[in-house]
Amino acid sequence: DAGVTQSPTHLIKTRGQQVTLRCSPKSGHDTVSWYQQALGQGPQFIFQYYEEEERQRGNFPDRFSGHQFPNYSSELNVNALLLGDSALYLCASNRGGGGWETQYFGPGTRLLVL
Amino acid sequence: RKEVEQDPGPFNVPEGATVAFNCTYSNSASQSFFWYRQDCRKEPKLLMSVYSSGNEDGRFTAQLNRASQYISLLIRDSKLSDSATYLCVVNVGSQGNLIFGKGTKLSVKP
Repeated sequence: DAGVTQSPTHLIKTRGQQVTLRCSPKSGHDTVSWYQQALGQGPQFIFQYYEEEERQRGNFPDRFSGHQFPNYSSELNVNALLLGDSALYLCASNRGGGGWETQYFGPGTRLLVL
Repeated sequence: RKEVEQDPGPFNVPEGATVAFNCTYSNSASQSFFWYRQDCRKEPKLLMSVYSSGNEDGRFTAQLNRASQYISLLIRDSKLSDSATYLCVVNVGSQGNLIFGKGTKLSVKP
């Protein structure tokens, strides 16, 4: 039973560039959430996708956008990168869209913006 | 006020010790509560959900006090392998927006 997978594992970009991160949910899961975890902080919710639509969004600017595909995989796009975007980006998946379902996290993508 | 606040830590304890983590949340509409564990440079993993009646899983006991908006985690007989950061997590809505505390780092020493 494959867990949540993310790619790439590490990424280095420069300010102003754009980046796309990818996530495949755990088998049987249809809901994908993205989180940003800065060093020494807890993860912060970016947005959640269910049925190919953004259903909820945290306090992140429009530079952060996403997409969910019919196979439930998801992408996170960040435009006009800032130094402060350097963080661990975590994808989590769960079934059915309900908040009571346990969210399982992928290993994350470490993004460094220089 | 932060939505979820935890003991700042770090906690440095000897093997076999009992350690307690505390957490408070600000939104009284919070519906679900969890403790996640995060090892260094790894992803968070669910340790246990927290129920109003309190629940236990081996050496781990979680308590929830909705009136005080307070959550706790007790670890008995600490093992070296318990060394990690413990994240208090709250879900306010029904749609799965998890709100994390900053985490409390635990180091268990021989």
